[in-house]
Amino acid sequence: GAVVSQHPSRVICKSGTSVKIECRSLDFQATTMFWYRQFPKQSLMLMATSNEGSKATYEQGVEKDKFLINHASLTLSTLTVTSAHPEDSSFYICSARDRRTGNNQPQHFGDGTRLSIL
Amino acid sequence: AQSVTQLDSQVPVFEEAPVELRCNYSSSVSVYLFWYVQYPNQGLQLLLKYLSGSTLVKGINGFEAEFNKSQTSFHLRKPSVHISDTAEYFCAVIRFSGGYNKLIFGAGTRLAVHP
Repeated sequence: GAVVSQHPSRVICKSGTSVKIECRSLDFQATTMFWYRQFPKQSLMLMATSNEGSKATYEQGVEKDKFLINHASLTLSTLTVTSAHPEDSSFYICSARDRRTGNNQPQHFGDGTRLSIL
Repeated sequence: AQSVTQLDSQVPVFEEAPVELRCNYSSSVSVYLFWYVQYPNQGLQLLLKYLSGSTLVKGINGFEAEFNKSQTSFHLRKPSVHISDTAEYFCAVIRFSGGYNKLIFGAGTRLAVHP
């Protein structure tokens, strides 16, 4: 089946540093990828929609300059949390939709990245 | 806008007992519904989906769900659960927004299977 690889799985860093998270579709191409944030014992909140070759579309309330998204190829999207602070600590999950399927078909999810800012 | 409501935040159940996890949706247009499972510290795995056709949808791991348009529900069921089914379950709906079909999740239901 379709596989989405997310890296790193866990990162711990000091406040003020920037952290990059990668999301790769391993066996399919994805023109669209999605980034979610999940707080403990809560649901997934869509942060932004990442589009290959163009600017990401952010959900209301998500800071564009804080969460930089780059979708440089059909198999890779990156999320960079800039100048991270403890309140940015969360579980970040990406998903990708196979470009060969319709827009109503399921997305494939990565295993998530646990970000802890000290 | 489309949204989903999961009525139970937690569902405890004994092993080999049947279980139903409830999901209601609100929508005024075509409905595309999904159930995902999340194990601790992992991403989401698709259990099943309803796009059209038969209202009874069978998924992986013995789960099934029934799309009920009159009750705007898409409840998830399993006739006999295992310890390994302990996980978080999310109901989701497609919402068209900003030029994209986006997946919107319910709050989740924690299924705890006890021996």
